[in-house]
Amino acid sequence: DGGITQSPKYLFRKEGQNVTLSCEQNLNHDAMYWYRQDPGQGLRLIYYSQIVNDFQKGDIAEGYSVSREKKESFPLTVTSAQKNPTAFYLCASSGRQIQKLFFGSGTQLSVL
Amino acid sequence: GENVEQHPSTLSVQEGDSAVIKCTYSDSASNYFPWYKQELGKRPQLIIDIRSNVGEKKDQRIAVTLNKTAKHFSLHITETQPEDSAVYFCAASPPRGSYIPTFGRGTSLIVHP
Repeated sequence: DGGITQSPKYLFRKEGQNVTLSCEQNLNHDAMYWYRQDPGQGLRLIYYSQIVNDFQKGDIAEGYSVSREKKESFPLTVTSAQKNPTAFYLCASSGRQIQKLFFGSGTQLSVL
Repeated sequence: GENVEQHPSTLSVQEGDSAVIKCTYSDSASNYFPWYKQELGKRPQLIIDIRSNVGEKKDQRIAVTLNKTAKHFSLHITETQPEDSAVYFCAASPPRGSYIPTFGRGTSLIVHP
């Protein structure tokens, strides 16, 4: 099944803990993105990467970190500095028609 | 940067009625306007898009219109069905730079049987 896979589906974070959300794609897309979704807030961009070993901050990057060591993978770490991490996190990718996004199924992160 | 406003935030219709969702954008250079549908607990999926060189595009029961002068675009759904119930997001994307789309806040469409 080709596409973009996020794991886990649900994740719980203890106070002071860093957690990492996984995002893998087999679409051979160059660009990958992380969005945060809160009720009534739409989709807000956290980080994006248009090429391996390079990434840029989005609108709400504080308290998050990413890496892009492989074309297929773009993991997101929610650090302890992110004081309000409870949200639905969506990963996306895009190919040559760079403006069209393909989304993963999301990870719901909650705080214990 | 680009700013996208989307209205209404909630839209409730009876099955068979039409639904219209409107978005405005601020950057006159934006040239690509997609619409995504997100069913409850699922991923957003592209349902229709339009580029700035086109005024209208249709795909069965859905259509999108674009007014570049007024910088607004709209999604039209005719003969609504309960399975159309979802959150719909509009977005605007510039032709240069990072090409990253800016999303509206979403419209929750509820179609009552």
